[in-house]
Amino acid sequence: NAGVTQTPKFQVLKTGQSMTLQCAQDMNHNSMYWYRQDPGMGLRLIYYSASEGTTDKGEVPNGYNVSRLNKREFSLRLESAAPSQTSVYFCARGQGNTGELFFGEGSRLTVL
Amino acid sequence: GENVEQHPSTLSVQEGDSAVIKCTYSDSASNYFPWYKQELGKRPQLIIDIRSNVGEKKDQRIAVTLNKTAKHFSLHITETQPEDSAVYFCAANHGGAQKLVFGQGTRLTINP
Repeated sequence: NAGVTQTPKFQVLKTGQSMTLQCAQDMNHNSMYWYRQDPGMGLRLIYYSASEGTTDKGEVPNGYNVSRLNKREFSLRLESAAPSQTSVYFCARGQGNTGELFFGEGSRLTVL
Repeated sequence: GENVEQHPSTLSVQEGDSAVIKCTYSDSASNYFPWYKQELGKRPQLIIDIRSNVGEKKDQRIAVTLNKTAKHFSLHITETQPEDSAVYFCAANHGGAQKLVFGQGTRLTINP
């Protein structure tokens, strides 16, 4: 299911370190999203991008930055990681104008 | 902003029985309500969705109902099978846009 590719799949960081999660889609859809998933809290939107060159905050944007340099790629950056950012991160792309999201396989991040 | 509440958080049913999961939402502008299934360690995948112009939609053993007046929608799974065991998430689009807000999830267990 190549639709959305996320790297890395696993990462362990120390508090204060920085890192970037990469996401790429193999289709030509406009919208892309970053969600985090924590036990008992569902999927919470961090940032989204309605189209190339535009980004907007979601429900939990603090501590994160994003970059949509082209239509294919949407990256999520943690400038100074904190233990509260330990989570599973999912990138997703929209399916045209249907509203449906197609998710990547997730990136599990642990911050010690 | 949009708030989506999902109940119950866990649900255990006997194989062959029916399962019902309920969600409420707060944003009256929401017009798209999908349901996602997430198996252990996998990405969430869309199983069924409904738009605000219909009250019910069926796809084989699963159905979704929507009550716009009361701002709630439900997932119904009939003749449950072991492979239905998973976490299910409801969602609603915020402000009628392509930004989905998810419920907290329901862990469904089918007992043989």
